[in-house]
Amino acid sequence: DAGVIQSPRHEVTEMGQEVTLRCKPISGHNSLFWYRQTMMRGLELLIYFNNNVPIDDSGMPEDRFSAKMPNASFSTLKIQPSEPRDSAVYFCASSLGRLAFATDTQYFGPGTRLTVL
Amino acid sequence: QQQVKQSPQSLIVQKGGISIINCAYENTAFDYFPWYQQFPGKGPALLIAIRPDVSEKKEGRFTISFNKSAKQFSLHIMDSQPGDSATYFCAASISRGAQKLVFGQGTRLTINP
Repeated sequence: DAGVIQSPRHEVTEMGQEVTLRCKPISGHNSLFWYRQTMMRGLELLIYFNNNVPIDDSGMPEDRFSAKMPNASFSTLKIQPSEPRDSAVYFCASSLGRLAFATDTQYFGPGTRLTVL
Repeated sequence: QQQVKQSPQSLIVQKGGISIINCAYENTAFDYFPWYQQFPGKGPALLIAIRPDVSEKKEGRFTISFNKSAKQFSLHIMDSQPGDSATYFCAASISRGAQKLVFGQGTRLTINP
């Protein structure tokens, strides 16, 4: 399996622009997670989906952030408008997502390094 | 109460030595404690995990020690090697229903040859 695929790997944009990050989970995985990693705040869970439905978005910082999962093999995280404080590495992860086995391993993608100037 | 506190922030160990990273939690509902390893430019990857019904779990050179009464757990890396140089994250979650992992701040481990 190719693992979790994220694109782009690097994104540099200017403040105020819209940014879209993309994720393809591992085939057969039912849960998908978006994380943000910064030096100051470490790894933070932004939102997670189970069977394409958002289950918990309490970590989404504000209305400028939105995430969608239109099908089992694709998810997007959008920031509009972007701000310099959004600069971070954004990770997507997926797991089998069997709710009765919530300890299913989360497999992380390589991340997207976002720089907002 | 959702926090997991990890220490130290950085650690330098000589090759062949023992690396020890500690974590503490407050939420007694946590019942799954994984450790993730992250190399530069890569995403975190599961290294080893423990449930609180055991006090220790060993996989190769990696051991988790768990102290339920103290609400602490630690990662021990025996015979540390330069290839172990990475950032290590402890995490905790509630295994029933929710799938949210709460991560510690991370420890940057450097093994000197």
